[in-house]
Amino acid sequence: SQQGEEDPQALSIQEGENATMNCSYKTSINNLQWYRQNSGRGLVHLILIRSNEREKHSGRLRVTLDTSKKSSSLLITASRAADTASYFCATSRLNTNAGKSTFGDGTTLTVKP
Amino acid sequence: DGGITQSPKYLFRKEGQNVTLSCEQNLNHDAMYWYRQDPGQGLRLIYYSQIVNDFQKGDIAEGYSVSREKKESFPLTVTSAQKNPTAFYLCASSLTGLDGYTFGSGTRLTVV
Repeated sequence: SQQGEEDPQALSIQEGENATMNCSYKTSINNLQWYRQNSGRGLVHLILIRSNEREKHSGRLRVTLDTSKKSSSLLITASRAADTASYFCATSRLNTNAGKSTFGDGTTLTVKP
Repeated sequence: DGGITQSPKYLFRKEGQNVTLSCEQNLNHDAMYWYRQDPGQGLRLIYYSQIVNDFQKGDIAEGYSVSREKKESFPLTVTSAQKNPTAFYLCASSLTGLDGYTFGSGTRLTVV
């Protein structure tokens, strides 16, 4: 079963609006990571949040983590057309071989100019 | 500049052939990974290595093989035993495995 599952599968917004996507997971984690993938390209690491952290910011990105609900959210504020991409969460589980992260199926974000 | 390089960008394989995908990093990272991505889907782990001369199977290792003879290099061989190899293959590395991954730009493999 999927360790990380993103929701929604697809999101379409206008430039300037905020975009929120969510990730749920099933087992306890070391950390949770968010990545962006432009079509046909490799993934780019955005933010890593550790299990003892609740919120992290990076520029227009804000990530929250709720370990009691086993969920995380990625907020992109003041979106731009260049934010159009797929976004993936990945989790590194506790009590397993270190550094083996499991990816979800992603949220496809379309930002219309 | 440090980074991770995958080659070739596109690869075509005939039925019954083995092919090897290259992955090289100059980031001095200990951990390296191979993932497979099918259209519209997430990444599935094929193999990973946390240290030179050691590697472990991921979730979909059947039909694939790897080696880790040097810290910088983690080549993936797609063997003829892999029945549905057409996919986008992504290599990644991580300093310790418990931090973010750096990805290569991928190799698109097509069976012809």
